[in-house]
Amino acid sequence: QQQVKQSPQSLIVQKGGISIINCAYENTAFDYFPWYQQFPGKGPALLIAIRPDVSEKKEGRFTISFNKSAKQFSLHIMDSQPGDSATYFCAAGSSNTGKLIFGQGTTLQVKP
Amino acid sequence: NAGVTQTPKFQVLKTGQSMTLQCAQDMNHNSMYWYRQDPGMGLRLIYYSASEGTTDKGEVPNGYNVSRLNKREFSLRLESAAPSQTSVYFCASTYSRQRSNQPQHFGDGTRLSIL
Repeated sequence: QQQVKQSPQSLIVQKGGISIINCAYENTAFDYFPWYQQFPGKGPALLIAIRPDVSEKKEGRFTISFNKSAKQFSLHIMDSQPGDSATYFCAAGSSNTGKLIFGQGTTLQVKP
Repeated sequence: NAGVTQTPKFQVLKTGQSMTLQCAQDMNHNSMYWYRQDPGMGLRLIYYSASEGTTDKGEVPNGYNVSRLNKREFSLRLESAAPSQTSVYFCASTYSRQRSNQPQHFGDGTRLSIL
């Protein structure tokens, strides 16, 4: 049972473009939605996270948009750079469990 | 400050062999996790330990056992390896005992192939 569905599986964007990755969740008990970034040969690292009491959170070129009624959230990378080329995972968790459910991952390639 | 250290980095096993993956963190974190990463499947939780002395099953625990040796160390054991357990295994830790809204810090993984 996949509780967090992520799309697309892969994405190619030109330098300077906008990268958009989408996630949908099923469990309404989830109240924490982080995004992790993973470079080849490394473990994932927290990029940005949002709680459902806000609809958007921005950190530099990275923005999370959150739609509670649709149970969807997305990551937008503005002015995408070749250094952003990595695998991105969305995740969802509920505050009292200590566990996260991860999406399937999106491999982003930013072409120079 | 090393963070989360996993050993070994690579391992090849034959079907039926056993081995233990080691994980240690030096951040004084309470909770530790073991995940496996497979193409198109994302990260799936195998086992986790909310605090020293406790362990609990995740999404895919079959074929694995864990030991929370102390606050720093959390090991994952494959008693009788199967080809389906070929994967990249990640250990992670976080400060909070029972709250998911804390960053999880990951090691760099163990790449395990079972022939």
